[in-house]
Amino acid sequence: DVKVTQSSRYLVKRTGEKVFLECVQDMDHENMFWYRQDPGLGLRLIYFSYDVKMKEKGDIPEGYSVSREKKERFSLILESASTNQTSMYLCASAWLAGDFYNEQFFGPGTRLTVL
Amino acid sequence: AQSVTQLDSHVSVSEGTPVLLRCNYSSSYSPSLFWYVQHPNKGLQLLLKYTSAATLVKGINGFEAEFKKSETSFHLTKPSAHMSDAAEYFCVVRYSTLTFGKGTMLLVSP
Repeated sequence: DVKVTQSSRYLVKRTGEKVFLECVQDMDHENMFWYRQDPGLGLRLIYFSYDVKMKEKGDIPEGYSVSREKKERFSLILESASTNQTSMYLCASAWLAGDFYNEQFFGPGTRLTVL
Repeated sequence: AQSVTQLDSHVSVSEGTPVLLRCNYSSSYSPSLFWYVQHPNKGLQLLLKYTSAATLVKGINGFEAEFKKSETSFHLTKPSAHMSDAAEYFCVVRYSTLTFGKGTMLLVSP
């Protein structure tokens, strides 16, 4: 079974802190994604990566950065956390087949609260 | 530009009755479409996907969806709801990345 793990299920941080969210997948997937999920808004893509050290902005990259130093690990960084970044963060990974992405496999999520 | 619209934010059914969760998409060409389910405090799980092989797609747990190009729809159905079906369902359209609908919460009463 594909497994995507996230470093924390719940996280509480203060405004202005630097926050790291870690995601690890064990299926040698090329592609990894970070989303945030908010009630009534569905999932919105923050960043994705299709290879080590490669990254692409998604729909809402402002206030976030990412790092992919190893294929299995994709980190989301909040340089200076703000209260409007309180959300559920979901990591996903997928194979790349030709030009198309296959099913994305999701981690359990990290619920981040910024006070 | 692609987009996906889930027409109902909440759907309530009784156990044993049919389920219909509606989804419309817009895309400049035939897309790939997915339905994902998220149970409380669980990660998202793929229910089914349409990739142009067949217009009626069967998924897990008795769910199925029909791709109707003329109506740009991809509605999710199940003949008989079960209590364990209570969850949030997301319709998703794919181009280079996935675009998620805002979700439909399915409530199942005894």
